[in-house]
Amino acid sequence: EVQVVESGGGLVQPGGSLRLSCAASGFTFSNYWMHWVRQAPGKGLEWVSRINNDGSGTVYAQSVKGRFTISRDNAKNTLYLQMSSLRAEDTAVYYCVRDDYGSVDPWGQGTLVTVSS
Amino acid sequence: DIVMTQTPLSSPVTLGQPASISCRSSQSLVRSDGDTYLSWIQQRPGQPPRLLIYKISNRFSGVPDRFSGSGAGTDFTLKISRVEAEDVGVYYCMQTTRLLSFGGGTKVEIK
Repeated sequence: EVQVVESGGGLVQPGGSLRLSCAASGFTFSNYWMHWVRQAPGKGLEWVSRINNDGSGTVYAQSVKGRFTISRDNAKNTLYLQMSSLRAEDTAVYYCVRDDYGSVDPWGQGTLVTVSS
Repeated sequence: DIVMTQTPLSSPVTLGQPASISCRSSQSLVRSDGDTYLSWIQQRPGQPPRLLIYKISNRFSGVPDRFSGSGAGTDFTLKISRVEAEDVGVYYCMQTTRLLSFGGGTKVEIK
């Protein structure tokens, strides 16, 4: 079964850091570009970042550029999102998704990040 | 950046009746390879998003045939031929032609 499982979320103070992980299984992880997408409570979906299949190319939304770093370990079939200088507006459920040449799937359950003092 | 605009914001529908959602992109979604990377995502209450349709009109695995997508260039439509109770939720159009961006969402609810 093709699936992704996000982890690493939690409560963090403003200005703090957190690293999210996304464990992929059921497909050849190293063949696919991956994205992080987030959803603030009661709001819509917002794209955060993308990484190409070998990790050599990354792109970020303006709202997180300079604060977040996307990376991957193809040997471990795992995607990461290192988040620093966190703000209240970064509070959201974070999803990792596979980019399969036009179909963006699967979607995991996501991991909740809460930035609050 | 490509901006995606959906209408309506909310769509109250009678069970068994059709529903239609429109999506417009700020620029053409045709990529250099000739394909158009426009998808539709469903999010039921309390659930993660789920892919319904990709490349305008291709239903993803397991998606009922009452869902259909159409359109070209910058204008796209998702239609539900006969709304069922399990279709309640928020629907998003999404483009992956250049990076990734979403429409604001359309809430489908039962009248």
